[in-house]
Amino acid sequence: DAGITQSPRYKITETGRQVTLMCHQTWSHSYMFWYRQDLGHGLRLIYYSAAADITDKGEVPDGYVVSRSKTENFPLTLESATRSQTSVYFCASSELGFGNTIYFGEGSWLTVV
Amino acid sequence: GIQVEQSPPDLILQEGANSTLRCNFSDSVNNLQWFHQNPWGQLINLFYIPSGTKQNGRLSATTVATERYSLLYISSSQTTDSGVYFCAVTMDSNYQLIWGAGTKLIIKP
Repeated sequence: DAGITQSPRYKITETGRQVTLMCHQTWSHSYMFWYRQDLGHGLRLIYYSAAADITDKGEVPDGYVVSRSKTENFPLTLESATRSQTSVYFCASSELGFGNTIYFGEGSWLTVV
Repeated sequence: GIQVEQSPPDLILQEGANSTLRCNFSDSVNNLQWFHQNPWGQLINLFYIPSGTKQNGRLSATTVATERYSLLYISSSQTTDSGVYFCAVTMDSNYQLIWGAGTKLIIKP
């Protein structure tokens, strides 16, 4: 029972390439989130999902695509990676939403060169 | 929008010391959470505490919602307590988390 896992943990990619970060949770939580963390900006919400097939934009969605065909998976795709998307990406989940306890994955360190 | 301010921004202590971290928020909130981000980047949820007091081992937290602040107490600090402590709030159950800038805590052996 790993809880919430992210893969890959570390990735270096080139500008213009497509990258997908995977997120899997074993709790059957309804809500899942993607955040990015950058120095000087703290944690910023990219996208979130309230249930399978329901997704919504957060604070910084441009350049990212998400899907949620199954409750347990919430992949984040960078369609054409840019250097400004170099960041640490955190997936998180919560049983009932933002107003409930939120649990984070271990993070995915992405470098775009 | 709501402002979340944490203090102090940095704190350096010797192992064994006690510390108090503060989180002030500018408007009424309906929940507050404390997180610890360790030096390896992992974010751990410490407390979900919209009001009242909770304790978990050497850590405890108190939120006084009417006065718009929350306190995180760490007693008998250990080097593993080092990292950044964040508080985050929401104003209603479907609204996004608003994060403070964090308190960076360094515990020296």
